[in-house]
Amino acid sequence: DAGVTQSPTHLIKTRGQHVTLRCSPISGHKSVSWYQQVLGQGPQFIFQYYEKEERGRGNFPDRFSARQFPNYSSELNVNALLLGDSALYLCASSLVGGSGNQPQHFGDGTRLSIL
Amino acid sequence: AQTVTQSQPEMSVQEAETVTLSCTYDTSESDYYLFWYKQPPSRQMILVIRQEAYKQQNATENRFSVNFQKAAKSFSLKISDSQLGDAAMYFCASDSWGKLQFGAGTQVVVTP
Repeated sequence: DAGVTQSPTHLIKTRGQHVTLRCSPISGHKSVSWYQQVLGQGPQFIFQYYEKEERGRGNFPDRFSARQFPNYSSELNVNALLLGDSALYLCASSLVGGSGNQPQHFGDGTRLSIL
Repeated sequence: AQTVTQSQPEMSVQEAETVTLSCTYDTSESDYYLFWYKQPPSRQMILVIRQEAYKQQNATENRFSVNFQKAAKSFSLKISDSQLGDAAMYFCASDSWGKLQFGAGTQVVVTP
């Protein structure tokens, strides 16, 4: 079975641009979460979606938004990119949201570089 | 709010030896889960082991085991019979309603 897939693998943008990152969960998983991992740090929670509804949001500005589609795939959008947005963006899926009983499985991430 | 602290930036271990990684956490939840994830240079975060806070028995997965001290809010990971493939960054994490809070990570270096 395919794991969590993310696209693109790498992305280079300039300040002020907009970016869209995509994630496909493991088949049967209905919850998707997004994390930002700055170099040398642990991942930071951005969003969680379950059944197309936002279930949680981390301490990130409104420039960050996300959505989940009927097929449970998800997009993370970031507007007005800043140098500090350079990071590895990780997507994780789980069977249901809001429960550690169903562990999250991660994709390989999208490396975003801002020039 | 949850916090997770890993105080060891790097740990070195010889092949076949044992290494223990430390983690402390703070949470206001009465029911929660704790995890250790491994992140090799390939970037993918891989689940190593999971502990349910209401279970007193320490979790074990093959060569990986934890020492869960709930009162002390401590959750250490022991890697036995270390192998070259264990070299990676290890993250401790707590879960509150599906939101993972990660520590800063410990780099494990395995020497032949």
